[in-house]
Amino acid sequence: EVQLVQSGGGLVQPGGSLRLSCAASGFSFRSYWFHWVRQAPGEGPVWVSRVDNDGTTTDYADSVRGRFTISRDNARNTLYLQMNSLRAEDTALYYCGRDLAGVGAFWGPGSLVTVSS
Amino acid sequence: EIVMTQSPLSLTVTPGEPASISCRSSQSLLHSNGKIFFDWYVQKPGQSPQLLISLGSSRASGVPDRFSGTESGTDFTLKISRVEAEDVGVYYCMQGLQTPYTFGQGTKLEIK
Repeated sequence: EVQLVQSGGGLVQPGGSLRLSCAASGFSFRSYWFHWVRQAPGEGPVWVSRVDNDGTTTDYADSVRGRFTISRDNARNTLYLQMNSLRAEDTALYYCGRDLAGVGAFWGPGSLVTVSS
Repeated sequence: EIVMTQSPLSLTVTPGEPASISCRSSQSLLHSNGKIFFDWYVQKPGQSPQLLISLGSSRASGVPDRFSGTESGTDFTLKISRVEAEDVGVYYCMQGLQTPYTFGQGTKLEIK
């Protein structure tokens, strides 16, 4: 069974940092590109970042470039999102996603990130 | 950035009746490899989005055949031949041709 188990969300003050994790099982993790997508309360999804199969190519939304870093550990079947210099507008449910633009698209359950003082 | 425009934004349908949602992209989603990088997703209450249709018209594994997707240039349509109560949720279109991937505003489907 394909599973994406997310962890690492929580409450953080503005300017703080968090690292999200997404542990994969049930498929060949290294075969897929992975993404992070966020969804603010009551809003639609917004794409954040993606990483290729071996972690060498990454892309970011303008709103997070320079503050967030996507990475993966293929030996641990785990995707990460390091989030620094967090702002109130980063508050959202963060989803990891496999192969979002392909036939194998699959989303994790989400991790809630709240940025507030 | 490619802009995705959905309509309608809300839809109320009687069970057993058909439903149709449209999405228009601001530019072609045809890749040089011949594939169209366009998906339909549904987000049911309290859940993460689930893939319905990929590559413009390919139904995802496990999706009932009453769901179908068509495309004509930059216009895409999701059709539900006979709506069931379990279909309630918000339907999103998404383009994955280029980053940033972008989503439509969403169409909220409710049952009458």
